[in-house]
Amino acid sequence: KNEVEQSPQNLTAQEGEFITINCSYSVGISALHWLQQHPGGGIVSLFMLSSGKKKHGRLIATINIQEKHSSLHITASHPRDSAVYICAVRGGATNKLIFGTGTLLAVQP
Amino acid sequence: DTEVTQTPKHLVMGMTNKKSLKCEQHMGHRAMYWYKQKAKKPPELMFVYSYEKLSINESVPSRFSPECPNSSLLNLHLHALQPEDSALYLCASSQGNTRIRGNNEQFFGPGTRLTVL
Repeated sequence: KNEVEQSPQNLTAQEGEFITINCSYSVGISALHWLQQHPGGGIVSLFMLSSGKKKHGRLIATINIQEKHSSLHITASHPRDSAVYICAVRGGATNKLIFGTGTLLAVQP
Repeated sequence: DTEVTQTPKHLVMGMTNKKSLKCEQHMGHRAMYWYKQKAKKPPELMFVYSYEKLSINESVPSRFSPECPNSSLLNLHLHALQPEDSALYLCASSQGNTRIRGNNEQFFGPGTRLTVL
């Protein structure tokens, strides 16, 4: 079992829909990151969380440390949101980033 | 300046070539990273430099040779690569000492798409 699990693996939505991507982890962490990667492109850091909730534009990220769970929400989704969203945690025995396998999101017009 | 830059964007090389990938940041970050990412997979850590010293080598083959000439630059020298080394190579940087627990957000560059023929 991976130390960082994401669901769903693939997600197709219609433009305007509210989207939720989930991340569960099994190690102790100092921070959790949500990253975005467009096809063939580099990685953009969306959020770094250690507790609570953060909001940036249409994106909201929450984390529940006790339940070892985080969610990334996208409100009023748009085709330009189509990308792979990766959850990564910093911590465990080595304090390195441990990546989830990503969620491929496709938002259709 | 809040970005990590990487050159070249694309690189095609033969198995006998020697080439280098370059990464630069001017955010005053003292930790820099090389990752390798195969298609549809998450990034895999290769090397970490902390304060210009190699602090982590994830058992990477010696045909990959990292170099950190100063706190703003990180190179990855490539020699005698194999076709299976074709991948997206990502550089990242963060503020401080990777061995200290804390909230060190990593900033990623756009990557170099490497093809080994």
